[in-house]
Amino acid sequence: EAGVTQFPSHSVIEKGQTVTLRCDPISGHDNLYWYRRVMGKEIKFLLHFVKESKQDESGMPNNRFLAERTGGTYSTLKVQPAELEDSGVYFCASSQGRMRGATDTQYFGPGTRLTVL
Amino acid sequence: AQTVTQSQPEMSVQEAETVTLSCTYDTSESDYYLFWYKQPPSRQMILVIRQEAYKQQNATENRFSVNFQKAAKSFSLKISDSQLGDAAMYFCASGGRGYQKVTFGTGTKLQVIP
Repeated sequence: EAGVTQFPSHSVIEKGQTVTLRCDPISGHDNLYWYRRVMGKEIKFLLHFVKESKQDESGMPNNRFLAERTGGTYSTLKVQPAELEDSGVYFCASSQGRMRGATDTQYFGPGTRLTVL
Repeated sequence: AQTVTQSQPEMSVQEAETVTLSCTYDTSESDYYLFWYKQPPSRQMILVIRQEAYKQQNATENRFSVNFQKAAKSFSLKISDSQLGDAAMYFCASGGRGYQKVTFGTGTKLQVIP
């Protein structure tokens, strides 16, 4: 079974440009999460999809970040326009979501390292 | 709200020896889960072990075991018979019941010395 995949693995852009990150969750996983780790700090939650709906977007830093999950499969995270402080590693995770009341294990992708110059 | 604290930015252990990574947490949840994730240099983060807070018995997975002290809000990871492949960044994390976000600590970088 394929794991969570993310594309690209690295992205280097200039301040003010736009970048779109993609995440493909494990097939059949209803829950999809985005996290970000800024250098040397903890991994922070950005948002959570259940299928195509945003369940929790409390971690999104500002309106320069837009996440979508059309059709409830893969997700994209767009940063527009990018700022220097957006640099970091963006992780995507998915979980099955079939067990009501339980906490599914989240399976993580390898991350996209974003550098904004 | 949840917070997770890892006070050891870096640790080292001799191959075949045992090492313990520390983690403390705080949560307002009455029911929660705790995790240890491992991120090797190749960057794919994988789950090492998970503990349900309502269970008193400490979770174990082969050479990995935890010491869960609920009253002290402590959740340490013990790696026995350390191997070179154990070298990685280890993240302690907590999550509430349901499909909620996971809160991570800042990580502990483990070096295994041959």
